[in-house]
Amino acid sequence: KAGVTQTPRYLIKTRGQQVTLSCSPISGHRSVSWYQQTPGQGLQFLFEYFSETQRNKGNFPGRFSGRQFSNSRSEMNVSTLELGDSALYLCASSLQNTEAFFGQGTRLTVV
Amino acid sequence: GIQVEQSPPDLILQEGANSTLRCNFSDSVNNLQWFHQNPWGQLINLFYIPSGTKQNGRLSATTVATERYSLLYISSSQTTDSGVYFCAAAGGYSSASKIIFGSGTRLSIRP
Repeated sequence: KAGVTQTPRYLIKTRGQQVTLSCSPISGHRSVSWYQQTPGQGLQFLFEYFSETQRNKGNFPGRFSGRQFSNSRSEMNVSTLELGDSALYLCASSLQNTEAFFGQGTRLTVV
Repeated sequence: GIQVEQSPPDLILQEGANSTLRCNFSDSVNNLQWFHQNPWGQLINLFYIPSGTKQNGRLSATTVATERYSLLYISSSQTTDSGVYFCAAAGGYSSASKIIFGSGTRLSIRP
């Protein structure tokens, strides 16, 4: 079966712009989580959605937001981009409270 | 929230050697996973192991939930085993999908 699909794979944006990343989970998975990976901070949890509701949220500013659609696809949005937002953004899907599977990630560069 | 610590941070071995990677977690868990991150950033699932022992070829893992640690064993290491290995855990019903990652072990296998 198809894995977790993230688009786009690479993105270059300018400071102050906003960006939207997309994640399509494995068919049947209703939980989608987002993570940010940077060399300095490692892998950090951003938020998790289940059945279109945000269930958990990490310690990120309000510029980071997300949503989930009825087909379980999820998007995350970062507004007013800063240089420090440059990172690999990873999405994971799972059945409720079980093994998580990750997509290939979106590498965002803010210049 | 739960905290995850991995050791050692770096490990350099000769091809053919065996290795043991350790993961300590601060609270009871209902999700414990081991991942290998490939050079392109994707997290590859190795084991979903909240308790017990599993084996997959040259790799095996053991989680002793009562003592809050997990071990990943790699036998007869190959150069293709090089990379970063992450342990990730989640605990508590309300946070079962909020997976917290350790800082990783960077494994280098020399030919």
